[in-house]
Amino acid sequence: AQSVTQPDIHITVSEGASLELRCNYSYGATPYLFWYVQSPGQGLQLLLKYFSGDTLVQGIKGFEAEFKRSQSSFNLRKPSVHWSDAAEYFCAVGSGGSYIPTFGRGTSLIVHP
Amino acid sequence: EAGVVQSPRYKIIEKKQPVAFWCNPISGHNTLYWYRQNLGQGPELLIRYENEEAVDDSQLPKDRFSAERLKGVDSTLKIQPAELGDSAVYLCASSLMDTEAFFGQGTRLTVV
Repeated sequence: AQSVTQPDIHITVSEGASLELRCNYSYGATPYLFWYVQSPGQGLQLLLKYFSGDTLVQGIKGFEAEFKRSQSSFNLRKPSVHWSDAAEYFCAVGSGGSYIPTFGRGTSLIVHP
Repeated sequence: EAGVVQSPRYKIIEKKQPVAFWCNPISGHNTLYWYRQNLGQGPELLIRYENEEAVDDSQLPKDRFSAERLKGVDSTLKIQPAELGDSAVYLCASSLMDTEAFFGQGTRLTVV
């Protein structure tokens, strides 16, 4: 069965610094991959998605992610973090090659001023 | 365009009491999901509907949980009776066929 590992439970960065959140997936074929963000008390908002094609995917709020098949990874990046980016970030893989997301446990981003 | 609407936002009940959550998906979305998110964890799928049919309910604890999606639009998730371990955020999501899921704000359930 497919699964997602987010190895970092918490990440702390300073405002203005660059960010990379790690995500590794387990799936035999080319997966559908997603990054969602969840602010306190809010639902999940889709940041970006990868289905096929260009392995560097641009998303909303200045985020991007790169699909690397050889490493089974889909890491999320942002060149300069803003205080408002503090939230919980979830990587997800499409279940069974579908669009149904199976989530990782999440990474909590803390932004210092 | 209105997003996925869930109610109530918060619910506190005593154990052994029943509780129900309501979800109205994005207009036209035929697929509806219910997820449960325990504290500090990612959401886990409970049940998925295609129109009014439950096509995947393998993770739904059927002894106490039930769901329905009459007329293939809005949906209700019920727990009866609730247990302390049911405290979680219950998320509803919807999608068009073969597209990504859009999530509501969730219902935070506390069982005391």
